[in-house]
Amino acid sequence: DAGVTQSPTHLIKTRGQQVTLRCSPKSGHDTVSWYQQALGQGPQFIFQYYEEEERQRGNFPDRFSGHQFPNYSSELNVNALLLGDSALYLCASSLGGTFTYNEQFFGPGTRLTVL
Amino acid sequence: KQEVTQIPAALSVPEGENLVLNCSFTDSAIYNLQWFRQDPGKGLTSLLLIQSSQREQTSGRLNASLDKSSGRSTLYIAASQPGDSATYLCAGEGGTDKLIFGTGTRLQVFP
Repeated sequence: DAGVTQSPTHLIKTRGQQVTLRCSPKSGHDTVSWYQQALGQGPQFIFQYYEEEERQRGNFPDRFSGHQFPNYSSELNVNALLLGDSALYLCASSLGGTFTYNEQFFGPGTRLTVL
Repeated sequence: KQEVTQIPAALSVPEGENLVLNCSFTDSAIYNLQWFRQDPGKGLTSLLLIQSSQREQTSGRLNASLDKSSGRSTLYIAASQPGDSATYLCAGEGGTDKLIFGTGTRLQVFP
């Protein structure tokens, strides 16, 4: 049973560029959440996708956008990259659509460096 | 705004010691709580989940408890080993299905 997978593992971009990160959820999961983890900090919630819709969003500018596909995989897009966007981007999957909290499982992350 | 504090920020101990890691939330309305382990440059591994109807969970040498009245959680690690060296993160969920994380406790266990 494959867990959460993310690609690419590492990415180097320059300021002003755009980047797309990808996530495949754990088998059987339909909800994907994205988190940003700056060096030495805890992860910060970016947004969550369920049924191909953005269900909720954290305190991030609209340069950060996402998408969820019918197979539940997801993309995170960041436009007009800033140096401060350098971080580890983590994807988490869970089973949504219920009224109880379901455990989130995290992928290995994508390390983004903006020069 | 919910904020999470983890104490201590760093810990270095000889193997065999029993350890207590602490986590506290400014808003005690935490329904579910997860403890994670993170190795350097890696993703998060879920260790324990305390769901809304529970007060504690145990897995092997790990035990976590949650006091909802005070918004505090404790992770207890028994008989620590060098392989336990990592950063430990607590994360709370307050009914919105998103996790709010602390900044972590960096643990080093030396032989």
